[in-house]
Amino acid sequence: QSVLTQPPSASGTPGQRVTISCSGSSSNIGGNSAYWYQQFPGTAPKLLIYKNNQRPSGVPDRFSVSKSGTSASLAISGLRSEDEADYYCAAWDDRLSGVVFGGGTKLTVL
Amino acid sequence: QVQLVQSGGEVKKPGASVKVSCEASGYTFASYGISWVRQAPGQGLEWMGWISAYTGKTNYAQNFQGRVTMTTDTSTSSAYMELRSLRSDDTAVYYCAKDPIVYGSGSGGHYFDPWGQGTLVTVSS
Repeated sequence: QSVLTQPPSASGTPGQRVTISCSGSSSNIGGNSAYWYQQFPGTAPKLLIYKNNQRPSGVPDRFSVSKSGTSASLAISGLRSEDEADYYCAAWDDRLSGVVFGGGTKLTVL
Repeated sequence: QVQLVQSGGEVKKPGASVKVSCEASGYTFASYGISWVRQAPGQGLEWMGWISAYTGKTNYAQNFQGRVTMTTDTSTSSAYMELRSLRSDDTAVYYCAKDPIVYGSGSGGHYFDPWGQGTLVTVSS
């Protein structure tokens, strides 16, 4: 059971806008930055978003995040087939004094 | 470019220990930390802990305290993660990752970029 809650799956068609939610609590997302990672099958995860809405170089601005209270969301606009991957949210948890992850969301591009 | 290269896969028996290495290049090793994250087959990501490559200070996740030891060797820009008393549910891919936190791990700011390629540790009798 993950500390952060994500839907196990999401889907969309090319060009569509898709959002993936990440629900936490006051000890993690509510008081700390959320981070997002993208993982393709058989490969290591890759940082997608850090410090709430910063993108590493090379990550297109089609990826953005929002945060409200104890939840964060990743939005992917102009969905492309190459966006099909697993997406994980993460945050520092003050109560656990450690990093916690969501269970991951498998994004399918129909 | 910044790169983390991990040691090869391991097969261990229950009760044994495993030590995974992670060699960094392309940046000043001692100016950052290293975090370790594992992923069981078909499962999500689990943070194991962090070590400062500058001070050697560690912060282990509660689930692993007493069973894991993380170390670094600045002379070879390498980090190591040893997990003891292995069980079958420790079967997973273990990743190291560059972490911007270098002094104190206690108020967040951890993120992981880039990651090593992963090391599969299989625990089986």
